[in-house]
This record gives sequence, C-alpha cells and structure tokens, in this order.
Amino acid sequence: GAGVSQSPSNKVTEKGKDVELRCDPISGHTALYWYRQSLGQGLEFLIYFQGNSAPDKSGLPSDRFSAERTGGSVSTLTIQRTQQEDSAVYLCASLRGGRADTQYFGPGTRLTVL
Amino acid sequence: KNQVEQSPQSLIILEGKNCTLQCNYTVSPFSNLRWYKQDTGRGPVSLTIMTFSENTKSNGRYTATLDADTKQSSLHITASQLSDSASYICVVSVGRDTGTYKYIFGTGTRLKVLA
Repeated sequence: GAGVSQSPSNKVTEKGKDVELRCDPISGHTALYWYRQSLGQGLEFLIYFQGNSAPDKSGLPSDRFSAERTGGSVSTLTIQRTQQEDSAVYLCASLRGGRADTQYFGPGTRLTVL
Repeated sequence: KNQVEQSPQSLIILEGKNCTLQCNYTVSPFSNLRWYKQDTGRGPVSLTIMTFSENTKSNGRYTATLDADTKQSSLHITASQLSDSASYICVVSVGRDTGTYKYIFGTGTRLKVLA
C-alpha cells in the first residue's frame, strides 16, 4: 500500500510489561513523527525523526519511552514497564520533509494497559 | 504558551445542513494552519492548509478561512453528508517556512450528521 501503516492495530497488555509499536512510513518520506492521542485530548507530540539528524525526543513523557528509526524507514516505539496512564492511541505520521510539510498519518495503535 | 482551541466540542446536524467549526490559536511564530478530518479508528487526513497570507481555501464542500490578525480560523461544511461524521482537528505549525517541524493540535470538534 502507499500509505503509512502501523502494527499492531490493537494491543492489550498488563501493567509492567514492555510493548513495541511499529510504524512503516511512506517510501521516500524523510521525516517521521510519533504522537499519542488520549480520549478527549489533542495529539501529543512524542518524538520526531528527520533524515540522519539526531531525533527530537523532547516530547517523550518519561525514560520508559524510547523510539528508533532503522535505515531511515521503519520506526519502533517502545514503552517499558507500561502503566495504566500509557493507555492511548499511538499515531505515526510521515512527510516528505521540507516546506511541503503535510503529515500523512497511519491508522494508529490502540494500547490498553490493564 | 502555544495553544489551539476549538469549538464547539461536539456538534449534531441533519444531513444536508451547513455547519461552521471554529479554531482560535495562540502560536508564535505562526507558519501555517491545517484542518484535518479524523474518522473513527483512523488517522487524521489533511483537508486544507493555509499560510499567513491566505484567508480562504476550499476543498470541495469544505471551506476554511483564516484571520491572522485575530488568530482565528473556521471550517465551513456545506450540504453535509453522513460521511462527514468525524472529528475535525485544527493544527497550527510553529516556526518559519523553512525548518518548520512542530505542530500544535487542537482537541477537535466531533461532528455527527444524522439522516
């Protein structure tokens, strides 16, 4: 497909477990964002990757959250020792970069921490 | 503090009617403003984008306006259809036209169109 894909679409886990969320951006897009969307809240910026530059991690809420982007393509968001407040939809977006900065979003991963 | 506020929080209208959604922002420096449509269980999809110098932009039955002086934007939906039922999110980009990469999201307006 030509769009951004994310997996899994739904993830239910127990408190204290680690989870990995995956994002496959649109081929050729150099920039990639991770956001968190909680019920009734706006999208919360987590982390931003642009090409080979060091990622902007300023939005990560704690050191339990980390993300990497391998080969400038696929990205993985890892949450360690999950807490109930981590329950949310995690959205990934990619864009070509530069001034034509329309973000193309994936369908999200709904994470539920019991 | 950079902020985007939307109103109303939710809206119910009958099919065929028009509606207008509001967005107020306090973002500096302003780069551009987008409206996104987010269907349930999906990621947001861009409807319109406006820069500082543009005050109206249309995309089919969607028309967005921007008043950079009052820092307000609106999204007008004409002749609503059932498929317009979704959340509409206002997003403001922070920064200059070059190197912009921060986005401030509103909490959205949830629109329900009834038959």
